[in-house]
Amino acid sequence: DQQVKQNSPSLSVQEGRISILNCDYTNSMFDYFLWYKKYPAEGPTFLISISSIKDKNEDGRFTVFLNKSAKHLSLHIVPSQPGDSAVYFCAASGGSGNTPLVFGKGTRLSVIA
Amino acid sequence: EAQVTQNPRYLITVTGKKLTVTCSQNMNHEYMSWYRQDPGLGLRQIYYSMNVEVTDKGDVPEGYKVSRKEKRNFPLILESPSPNQTSLYFCASAGGGKSSYEQYFGPGTRLTVT
Repeated sequence: DQQVKQNSPSLSVQEGRISILNCDYTNSMFDYFLWYKKYPAEGPTFLISISSIKDKNEDGRFTVFLNKSAKHLSLHIVPSQPGDSAVYFCAASGGSGNTPLVFGKGTRLSVIA
Repeated sequence: EAQVTQNPRYLITVTGKKLTVTCSQNMNHEYMSWYRQDPGLGLRQIYYSMNVEVTDKGDVPEGYKVSRKEKRNFPLILESPSPNQTSLYFCASAGGGKSSYEQYFGPGTRLTVT
């Protein structure tokens, strides 16, 4: 049973345009959500997070939106740059902070110059 | 430099030959974890540890062991590796509490079991 779903395995976007990566979850106990970015031959790196008490969090070109009623979150990258080409993982967790992260399968973003 | 290190980075072994993948972090983090990444399956947690001498199973613990005798080290042990454990393994660490979500990952260990 997949609790965190990234239904788009890949996404291609022109440089300078907006990239929107989507993530759905099924567990209503999740209260903290994160996005990780992974380049080939490297470990994932933390990108941005959002608590369930918020519906938006912004950090530079990256914004995460959370729609709790729809159990959906999205990552917006504006403007997209070739260096953003990577695999992006959505992750979620719930409870007291002692529960492990549950990751989605990832979306491969290609930003075309 | 704050980092998580894993050794070896690449390993080819045969079925049944015990192996250990080491993981060490220099950030004094309480939380450490092991994941495996497989094509089409994303990152799946094997084991995690909230602190020294405290370990718990993740989603796919079968065939693996861990220990947390010191805060900085969290080795992954495969007592009798099998071909279905061929995968890319990542170790991660994080501070305690809510900050345990923002994990720092090592560079990965690619394991092939023949």
